[in-house]
Amino acid sequence: AQSVTQLDSQVPVFEEAPVELRCNYSSSVSVYLFWYVQYPNQGLQLLLKYLSGSTLVKGINGFEAEFNKSQTSFHLRKPSVHISDTAEYFCAVSDLSGYALNFGKGTSLLVTP
Amino acid sequence: DAGITQSPRYKITETGRQVTLMCHQTWSHSYMFWYRQDLGHGLRLIYYSAAADITDKGEVPDGYVVSRSKTENFPLTLESATRSQTSVYFCASRSGGLREKLFFGSGTQLSVL
Repeated sequence: AQSVTQLDSQVPVFEEAPVELRCNYSSSVSVYLFWYVQYPNQGLQLLLKYLSGSTLVKGINGFEAEFNKSQTSFHLRKPSVHISDTAEYFCAVSDLSGYALNFGKGTSLLVTP
Repeated sequence: DAGITQSPRYKITETGRQVTLMCHQTWSHSYMFWYRQDLGHGLRLIYYSAAADITDKGEVPDGYVVSRSKTENFPLTLESATRSQTSVYFCASRSGGLREKLFFGSGTQLSVL
């Protein structure tokens, strides 16, 4: 079965600084990879997804992620964060024939002035 | 309003009681899912459904029952609630296969005393 490991449970960062949230996956087959964001007291929303093709994926709110097959990683990046980016971020994976996503444990991003 | 709605938003119950969490979506999405979110565990899949009258177990199905007699509804029942089922429960839906994004409800916060 596929799984993801989010390497940091919490990431504090100052406003306007760059940020990288790390995600590694384990799978012996081809996968789809996703990043979802959860704002306080809300459900999750899709940020971006990698299905195939270009390894650099751009999402909403200025986020992007790079699929690296050799390192089995799918790290999320933003060059300059805002206070409003404070949220929980989840990496998720599935093989191409599955029904459901397997989510990581989440990374809490805290942006301070 | 269109979308995916969960009810109740908050629920307190006692151990041994039966509790049903409701989930309704207005898009006629084929796939529906129930996840629970716990600190340190992220989101874990309880049950999912690929269509009306088709359901299957996820990662943590013990103690839960689901049904899907209509496409738009996917209730989750805790037959005899235990303290370990205290959690935030999220319902999600998706129109098609894994390439499509998941839409999440706002969650039900359940406390079992």
